[in-house]
Amino acid sequence: DTAVSQTPKYLVTQMGNDKSIKCEQNLGHDTMYWYKQDSKKFLKIMFSYNNKELIINETVPNRFSPKSPDKAHLNLHINSLELGDSAVYFCASSQGSKDSPLHFGNGTRLTVT
Amino acid sequence: AQRVTQPEKLLSVFKGAPVELKCNYSYSGSPELFWYVQYSRQRLQLLLRHISRESIKGFTADLNKGETSFHLKKPFAQEEDSAMYYCAPRAGANSKLTFGKGITLSVRP
Repeated sequence: DTAVSQTPKYLVTQMGNDKSIKCEQNLGHDTMYWYKQDSKKFLKIMFSYNNKELIINETVPNRFSPKSPDKAHLNLHINSLELGDSAVYFCASSQGSKDSPLHFGNGTRLTVT
Repeated sequence: AQRVTQPEKLLSVFKGAPVELKCNYSYSGSPELFWYVQYSRQRLQLLLRHISRESIKGFTADLNKGETSFHLKKPFAQEEDSAMYYCAPRAGANSKLTFGKGITLSVRP
């Protein structure tokens, strides 16, 4: 009955590879997000989708491409992985109102070697 | 420019001591404010939000619009409170939650 689930939990890969992280929420929320947490624990928004439409796209390299097949899913595909992509990636979801909190997944720890 | 500031990186206290984790924001309009907690190697969890005016795990946070602050307080810290705490304002519906840099709270026995 996990609310926001992401897979895989750990991802270790080599530079230059392409990888995907999947996220699903069963809360019925309209909006989903991807956040990146770096080694200093700073959290930065990457993307946000509302009802399958991209509404927030921060300054993220084109190698990162989000895809939302339906409002319960938001996947993140990363091409040509670089060492600096190593981080923990968190998926989250919320209702659209200003006072609605974000519900986070458990994170995907990506290590690029 | 919209900005959220958590001025300290680390707060270390003994069990039973009072705790205040500072958060200042600079936003136009009236943002909604949240505190999130992240225990070691776990996901972020909502601790409390301004609109609820509630106390969770003994923590409270008062919004001071004059000082544009939303400090998190607890009168008596417990060891299990040791975690990373993030202040996060949100400007409007469907807008992003912007996180402060976070503060590590360490409660020693």
